[in-house]
Amino acid sequence: SYVLTQPPSVSVALGQTARITCGGNNLGSKSVHWYQQRPGQAPVLVVYDDSDRPSGIPERISGSEGGNTATLTISRVEAGDEADYYCQVWDSNSDHPAVFGGGTQLTIL
Amino acid sequence: LQLQASGPGLVKSSETLSLTCTVSGGSISSTNSHWVWIRQPPGKGLEWIGTVFYRGNTNYSPSLQGRLSLLVDTSKNQLSLRLYSVTAADTAVYFCARRTGDFGYFFDPWSQGTLVTVSS
Repeated sequence: SYVLTQPPSVSVALGQTARITCGGNNLGSKSVHWYQQRPGQAPVLVVYDDSDRPSGIPERISGSEGGNTATLTISRVEAGDEADYYCQVWDSNSDHPAVFGGGTQLTIL
Repeated sequence: LQLQASGPGLVKSSETLSLTCTVSGGSISSTNSHWVWIRQPPGKGLEWIGTVFYRGNTNYSPSLQGRLSLLVDTSKNQLSLRLYSVTAADTAVYFCARRTGDFGYFFDPWSQGTLVTVSS
């Protein structure tokens, strides 16, 4: 089945910009979605279809995609951004269509 | 739209795990409504379990095929999950969510998780 690869951890200083990557074969042909999961809470959708934001998600959270890599960018990071972030795609040709990356723990220094 | 997952926190090994997801603020049978179950073992990542259409069509993870049953009760606006012959590997937080999207499906909103521990 399809595999998405994320770095296990990313650290960034308060107020700086965090970038979390998600890699997969021919990822550019798929729509990538991102979820934020704070400790003890359910995941929340923060970006869908590569770069769209649901209502209520601040503009400083953005998504992009190029080639085989998608990137979630969080500008001016705040303490509340400390969480696990997961990318996800839907692979319609697979018998396991919903694929998540392994997750990236974002630490605010 | 809000989803609430519930069920027993403890299940004995080899028995059946049963969970319910109650949908409020919208109809479970609205046009093209698909619903998913996702689980997360302690300290690990997210795993899709399966998808159920409000008419009852299902798609299960190959790793759980044969042990899993996903059902819809439109009269109660509820989803249900049954996982048979559980083992310690089924210990996880279980979520239900709505599948949505046009170009590639995603999940929103999610329920709060319900922790299920399989004991020997």
